[in-house]
Amino acid sequence: DAMVIQNPRYQVTQFGKPVTLSCSQTLNHNVMYWYQQKSSQAPKLLFHYYDKDFNNEADTPDNFQSRRPNTSFCFLDIRSPGLGDAAMYLCATSREPRENNEQFFGPGTRLTVL
Amino acid sequence: GDSVTQMEGPVTLSEEAFLTINCTYTATGYPSLFWYVQYPGEGLQLLLKATKADDKGSNKGFEATYRKETTSFHLEKGSVQVSDSAVYFCALTFKAAGNKLTFGGGTRVLVKP
Repeated sequence: DAMVIQNPRYQVTQFGKPVTLSCSQTLNHNVMYWYQQKSSQAPKLLFHYYDKDFNNEADTPDNFQSRRPNTSFCFLDIRSPGLGDAAMYLCATSREPRENNEQFFGPGTRLTVL
Repeated sequence: GDSVTQMEGPVTLSEEAFLTINCTYTATGYPSLFWYVQYPGEGLQLLLKATKADDKGSNKGFEATYRKETTSFHLEKGSVQVSDSAVYFCALTFKAAGNKLTFGGGTRVLVKP
């Protein structure tokens, strides 16, 4: 089945220690999104890639970076995690950003910062 | 800016009860509207959508109608099951906004046997 896969499902890191979260997709979609979802809140878009074009949201902290080495994979790097970065991180994909297409979400990675 | 407002939860129901979750939006123009569902420990899944006024989206017994006059997209299900326990998110997107989803705050629904 075509899907969006996130690894790991649970990640524990220490305050200030860089961490990378991974997302892969078998849907061959052009767009990949990263969302941050804190407890009992709605997902908040951090950035997205349309093919190789990176689009950052205006209020995304510099501490968050992303890489997309190819169509299938996208990574979220948190350079110096703080306690406030503990959250669920959701990856999503869609065919095109200019149409009202469904976004397909992965299961998420829950990040704990000690 | 664009925004979505949902009724706050949690909503607690008995099995086979009728469920309504209110959703209203504020936007310039006519967005597409979505309901996503998030089961415990999982990512979001699209439940249904409507892309123009008076469209009705439906899936798994859930329905929602795009009401332009009242800028609403209320979610309904006639007879809920325990397996419908989840968090439900109303969301909108515009073509011009690059398909960026604007979510409501989510409504937690708990269905008891």
